[in-house]
Amino acid sequence: SSELTQDPAVSVAPGQTVRITCQGDSLTSYHATWYQQKKGQAPLLVIYGKNNRPSGIPPRFSGSRSGNTASLTITGAQAEDEADYYCNSRDSSGDQLIFGGGTKLTVL
Amino acid sequence: QVQLQQWGAGLLKSAETLSLTCAVYGGTFGGYYWAWIRQAPGKGLEWLGEINHSGTTYFNPSLKSRVIISVDASKAQFSLKLNSVTVADTAVYYCARLLLGATTPPLFHYFALDVWGQGTTVTIS
Repeated sequence: SSELTQDPAVSVAPGQTVRITCQGDSLTSYHATWYQQKKGQAPLLVIYGKNNRPSGIPPRFSGSRSGNTASLTITGAQAEDEADYYCNSRDSSGDQLIFGGGTKLTVL
Repeated sequence: QVQLQQWGAGLLKSAETLSLTCAVYGGTFGGYYWAWIRQAPGKGLEWLGEINHSGTTYFNPSLKSRVIISVDASKAQFSLKLNSVTVADTAVYYCARLLLGATTPPLFHYFALDVWGQGTTVTIS
């Protein structure tokens, strides 16, 4: 099977840009998908496909990929962006959905 | 606006069977995969498995021997059963719709859980 690796924690000052990364061999075959999860809530899809945002997700959220590393970028982070962020993709076999361990974003 | 509503027992004893059901409202049931995900206290997300409207399933190999996922397309519902639960199965369990797609070139697929249920807290004592 495959694994997705995320930094456990990242911090950013309000209004600044932050990049959250997700690394794994499966990302050379499958897009990463990104979720935001605030405390006590279900995860919320924020980026999928090449760089698609569901309706209601602000344009400050964007996604990209380079090699086996996918990135979620928040341009002009807001206090309300403080949350846990998870990436996922399919594993290399194509049979399993896998998640990264999550990144706790602090906006301070 | 698609909504998922899930229900099931929230308190179980070790060795019992966890049983949850998720109903899909306001959208098409066929043409999608439907997934179960869980999150242990203070931990990350763990995919348990998925099923489509015709019953094709995929499972997390670490749980495969204990998991049953079934579908009732006539009711737009799908269910999770997890046998022989232990304290380690204590978690919030979510159902979700799995959106599949692809972009080209080159051909890259994506798998996105775009609609989630409200979550069910299951505690094993």
